[in-house]
Amino acid sequence: KQEVTQIPAALSVPEGENLVLNCSFTDSAIYNLQWFRQDPGKGLTSLLLIQSSQREQTSGRLNASLDKSSGRSTLYIAASQPGDSATYLCAVTGTASKLTFGTGTRLQVTL
Amino acid sequence: DVKVTQSSRYLVKRTGEKVFLECVQDMDHENMFWYRQDPGLGLRLIYFSYDVKMKEKGDIPEGYSVSREKKERFSLILESASTNQTSMYLCASTPLNRSRGWDTEAFFGQGTRLTVV
Repeated sequence: KQEVTQIPAALSVPEGENLVLNCSFTDSAIYNLQWFRQDPGKGLTSLLLIQSSQREQTSGRLNASLDKSSGRSTLYIAASQPGDSATYLCAVTGTASKLTFGTGTRLQVTL
Repeated sequence: DVKVTQSSRYLVKRTGEKVFLECVQDMDHENMFWYRQDPGLGLRLIYFSYDVKMKEKGDIPEGYSVSREKKERFSLILESASTNQTSMYLCASTPLNRSRGWDTEAFFGQGTRLTVV
């Protein structure tokens, strides 16, 4: 059974700092990996999708990498801002089209 | 702008009531999913559907059922609500071709916070 782990569970950084969120998964037979953002009490917003054949994706200040063979992905956030404060979730798509989620990293960016 | 819409943001129901949570997507996606989200447990898959009138159990289907009579609508049913079903419920949809891993971005609704008292 696929298991997804995210480290750290919580992170607090000062504004302007670059940071890295980690995601690991146990079964490398995935079709893609997706990073989401969730604000308190809200649904999930897709940030980046990396196909299994890709190594990374970029969107603005966000960069996500994927090393499928080692079961790891990282989300890099450059020049963090208070508006980046949220919970970040990674999810992998395996067989039967199902997404398996990590438990998330709660990020707080302070002024 | 793509959309997955859940019928209610907040619901309060009594133990034993039959509860319907509705989800509608306007992207003509084949796949639809229901998850629940609990602190410390993350998102767990309840049921999913590949097509109209088709359904598959997820990881925690007990106490739930689903209905998909139309492609755009996927309903989650709590046959007899219990307090341990108090949770945030999230609906998602994705297009087909997952076997190719192409264009399989998942879109989520805004969530329904259900409280069973």
